[in-house]
Amino acid sequence: AQSVTQLGSHVSVSEGALVLLRCNYSSSVPPYLFWYVQYPNQGLQLLLKYTSAATLVKGINGFEAEFKKSETSFHLTKPSAHMSDAAEYFCAVSVRGYQKVTFGTGTKLQVIP
Amino acid sequence: EAQVTQNPRYLITVTGKKLTVTCSQNMNHEYMSWYRQDPGLGLRQIYYSMNVEVTDKGDVPEGYKVSRKEKRNFPLILESPSPNQTSLYFCASSPERLGGYQPQHFGDGTRLSIL
Repeated sequence: AQSVTQLGSHVSVSEGALVLLRCNYSSSVPPYLFWYVQYPNQGLQLLLKYTSAATLVKGINGFEAEFKKSETSFHLTKPSAHMSDAAEYFCAVSVRGYQKVTFGTGTKLQVIP
Repeated sequence: EAQVTQNPRYLITVTGKKLTVTCSQNMNHEYMSWYRQDPGLGLRQIYYSMNVEVTDKGDVPEGYKVSRKEKRNFPLILESPSPNQTSLYFCASSPERLGGYQPQHFGDGTRLSIL
């Protein structure tokens, strides 16, 4: 079975500050990991994905995430928050050859001017 | 433009009145799935389909039906809706039949209110 835990349902940062959104996963086999972003009244869009190549993954809009097997983590970071980053972010896990993708409960990011 | 299209975007209806939410994708994707999103619970999978005429239950299938008669369409059917099915629903598709490796493409969502 696979699962993902997102710590913090709400995160607030000041504009220009570091963004850190936490995701820990559980999987009995090597996982595929994803971060999606959801803007108000829209569907989810892919930010980045880890599929067993480089452990540091760069995504769109300046976001990146690092896969740390020893910590079973895949935290999302951005060096400098922008007002347009305010959205809800979802971490998701899947495994090779298995059709199920499991999503976390989401973290709402607020960016304060 | 590659997209997943859901209709309607918003619907308010009453308990027991059958409804269908349509989902269509123009990317020739094998895998399609329905999710519901509720506050504090994230996205939970309702049903998924790996190919035409192949569907299976997700985590919360009770009260829902689906069909996959054509590759591009995957409607979600609520035969007798109840208030606990009030939620935000998303359809998604992926090029990979097993759905695990490739990211999913999501529709814009359907907000259902069952009174």
